[in-house]
Amino acid sequence: KAGVTQTPRYLIKTRGQQVTLSCSPISGHRSVSWYQQTPGQGLQFLFEYFSETQRNKGNFPGRFSGRQFSNSRSEMNVSTLELGDSALYLCASSFGTSNEQFFGPGTRLTVL
Amino acid sequence: AQSVTQPDIHITVSEGASLELRCNYSYGATPYLFWYVQSPGQGLQLLLKYFSGDTLVQGIKGFEAEFKRSQSSFNLRKPSVHWSDAAEYFCAVGANSNDYKLSFGAGTTVTVRA
Repeated sequence: KAGVTQTPRYLIKTRGQQVTLSCSPISGHRSVSWYQQTPGQGLQFLFEYFSETQRNKGNFPGRFSGRQFSNSRSEMNVSTLELGDSALYLCASSFGTSNEQFFGPGTRLTVL
Repeated sequence: AQSVTQPDIHITVSEGASLELRCNYSYGATPYLFWYVQSPGQGLQLLLKYFSGDTLVQGIKGFEAEFKRSQSSFNLRKPSVHWSDAAEYFCAVGANSNDYKLSFGAGTTVTVRA
């Protein structure tokens, strides 16, 4: 069974731009969560979607948003990029009946 | 809100020696606990989890962890370390089975020397 896939794997943007990251969960998984990983703040929860609905949200500004499609694929968007948004963005999927989450390889975002 | 502390930032261990990584959690009820491993440039791989029942749980790659409620701990152990175990290890906690907002510790980097 294929794992969680994330595209693109690497991304370079400049301040003020916006970016969209994509995540395809494991087949059959209906929950997708997003995390930001930085050396200074570690792993921080962004949000979680289940059946196209956001069920939980972390403490990030409104510039960070996401959505989930009917096939469970998810995207997250960051608008008006700041230097501090440079991070590894990890997507995790789950069946949705327990919080056992399986992570993708991440998208490395660099903001210049 | 729940939180996790991993007291050791970096541990160096000789190949073949035993390894123990510490994890302390803060949560009022019975937590859902996880250990993940991350190799450089990679995502997180689930090593093992504790939801309920037997407090000693077995995971992949020869790892095990023991849940001790009295000490609010969930330490990870491996009897004999291999060079391929060099990685960063994260302990995480969720409030319940429907809480997908995992709180992670800061991680422990393990270096394996020959």
